[in-house]
Amino acid sequence: GQNIDQPTEMTATEGAIVQINCTYQTSGFNGLFWYQQHAGEAPTFLSYNVLDGLEEKGRFSSFLSRSKGYSYLLLKELQMKDSASYLCAVRDSNYQLIWGAGTKLIIKP
Amino acid sequence: ETGVTQTPRHLVMGMTNKKSLKCEQHLGHNAMYWYKQSAKKPLELMFVYNFKEQTENNSVPSRFSPECPNSSHLFLHLHTLQPEDSALYLCASSQATGSGANVLTFGAGSRLTVL
Repeated sequence: GQNIDQPTEMTATEGAIVQINCTYQTSGFNGLFWYQQHAGEAPTFLSYNVLDGLEEKGRFSSFLSRSKGYSYLLLKELQMKDSASYLCAVRDSNYQLIWGAGTKLIIKP
Repeated sequence: ETGVTQTPRHLVMGMTNKKSLKCEQHLGHNAMYWYKQSAKKPLELMFVYNFKEQTENNSVPSRFSPECPNSSHLFLHLHTLQPEDSALYLCASSQATGSGANVLTFGAGSRLTVL
C-alpha cells in the first residue's frame, strides 16, 4: 500500500528552528508538496519538490531525497503565527496525491 | 471575491435531512475537488471534476452526490448521512489534473455535524 508518515505533533520555541520530517512509500513519484493549515482555515501551498535537494523560500525550506523516500520542512526564526498543521503529500505514478495525516506544530513563547 | 469560497462554513443536520454544500472559485481553474478531512487522518479525496466532467469517484457512498454545473462551481448534495460522516469537507481547485506542479487552492471548508 501507499503510505506517508509524519509526526503527529511537535513543539518548538519562538525564534528557534524546527524540522518536520516526512517519509513516504508510494507507487512511483511525481513530486512532493508541503501545505500549511491554520486551525479553521484552508490549507495553503508552501513548497513543491520534484528533484533532490533543498528549495529555500524565505524562512521556510524543503528538502527531498527520492532515493530515501524522505523529505523535511525546515522552519527558521519561528514566529507564533507558524503554529499550524503542516501537511505532506506525494504525487504517485498515476498523478494521484497521497496525503500524510499532518503534523501539528505548537510554538511556545 | 478571489480564491475558493465554500458555504456554509458550518452545518448541523439530522440523518434524514437533505442539504447541499457549495464551492465557488474565481481563479479560472479547470479542475475542482472534494476532500473529506477527519481529525488526525489524511485528507481523503472524494471526487474530481476536470473541465466539468467527473474524472474520479473514490468509492464514495451514494449518500454523497456531487454536481459541477460549470468550471467555477461545485456542489456536494447530502442525504441520509450517518454520524461518521461528520467531518470538515474541503473544496479545492487547480489549473487542471495531471502533470506539472498542479498546485491545489483550497477553500476554508464546511464543518459538517451529523446528529
